[in-house]
Amino acid sequence: GEDVEQSLFLSVREGDSSVINCTYTDSSSTYLYWYKQEPGAGLQLLTYIFSNMDMKQDQRLTVLLNKKDKHLSLRIADTQTGDSAIYFCAEKYDAGNMLTFGGGTRLMVKP
Amino acid sequence: DTAVSQTPKYLVTQMGNDKSIKCEQNLGHDTMYWYKQDSKKFLKIMFSYNNKELIINETVPNRFSPKSPDKAHLNLHINSLELGDSAVYFCASSPQGAGEQFFGPGTRLTVL
Repeated sequence: GEDVEQSLFLSVREGDSSVINCTYTDSSSTYLYWYKQEPGAGLQLLTYIFSNMDMKQDQRLTVLLNKKDKHLSLRIADTQTGDSAIYFCAEKYDAGNMLTFGGGTRLMVKP
Repeated sequence: DTAVSQTPKYLVTQMGNDKSIKCEQNLGHDTMYWYKQDSKKFLKIMFSYNNKELIINETVPNRFSPKSPDKAHLNLHINSLELGDSAVYFCASSPQGAGEQFFGPGTRLTVL
């Protein structure tokens, strides 16, 4: 079955770059996503990448996909305290457009 | 201009009761979903529904049933609530064939 894994916790200083990693098992994934969840809120889509791409950049966010190793990463440049949240990676598999989420990485940004 | 809304935001109830959570989306999307997020923040798909098919995660107990009165609504009905049902439930929607899902703010269900 599908399995998506992330490290639980990441702490960085304000202004540094953050790199959040994710591994997945389903080689037939078509899309991979990064969502952000702030305390008490729903999930907000940050960015996504097609499985035939290696990289996607969107302002401070850079997504890297290594399809051979089934590894996805999200880099946040110039991390701010407002970036503190839980970040979820997710993969889309075909049945009903459903997503499989990783367990989330809690990012803490210290001033 | 709420895109995906859920009511109620908080729901506290006794074991054995039956309850419903409502979800509405004004994005014109074709597919709607329900997710359960447990206390460890693990997020799991429960249902995917459009006007043609309902896909159920096989791990979801049959006490849970989605009901869709129209394309913009997908309500979640839960029978005989159990302590383990306590969680945050998220509704989401997406355009047909697309994986980008837009989430509601969540409903925190507490079963006593």
